[in-house]
Amino acid sequence: EVQLVESGGGLIQPGGSLRLSCAASGFTFSNSWMTWVRQAPGKGLEWVATIKEDGSEKYYVDSAKGRFTISRDNAKNSLYLQMNSLRAEDTAVYYCARDLRAVTGHYFDYWGQGTLVTVSS
Amino acid sequence: EIVLTQSPATLSLSPGERATLSCRASQSVSSYLAWYQQKPGQAPRLLIYDASNRATGIPARFSGSGSETDFTLTISNLEPEDFAVYFCQHRRNWPLTFGPGTKVDVK
Repeated sequence: EVQLVESGGGLIQPGGSLRLSCAASGFTFSNSWMTWVRQAPGKGLEWVATIKEDGSEKYYVDSAKGRFTISRDNAKNSLYLQMNSLRAEDTAVYYCARDLRAVTGHYFDYWGQGTLVTVSS
Repeated sequence: EIVLTQSPATLSLSPGERATLSCRASQSVSSYLAWYQQKPGQAPRLLIYDASNRATGIPARFSGSGSETDFTLTISNLEPEDFAVYFCQHRRNWPLTFGPGTKVDVK
């Protein structure tokens, strides 16, 4: 059974940093592109970042460029999102998702339960 | 950036009825469009990819159609568990974007 479990969310002050983690199991993590998607409270979905299987390619939404870094550790079956210079508008539930790029394209077939990041003073 | 627009914002129907949801892209996305379902407090669920292909385990009452800029998700016979929010998403280029969603609620 595929499982994605996010952790690391919480309340953080504007300008602060947070590192989200996503523990993957039930599939060959090292063969899968992975993605972070976020959802502000009561709002829609926003793609944040995507990383290739071996970490050699990374893509970001403009609002995350220069502040967020996506990374992975295939030996630990883990995905990360380092978030710096956090702003109130980064407040959201952050989901990690398995990306189907290796099979068909950048769609997301498995999602974690999400971790809430709240940026507030 | 490709902007996806969904209509209507809310669709009020009764169980057993047919739901027709629309997603329009600001420029051609070819057939590179997916549909997701999200229920309150849950993560999204992939329903349809590449415009018309059902994802694994998705019931046949869900179907997708369209190409270029105009896409439709049809739920042929609404079941009680189908009342939810539906999002479209393209993969034509970066950045990937989602539509704002259509809420299907009980009339």
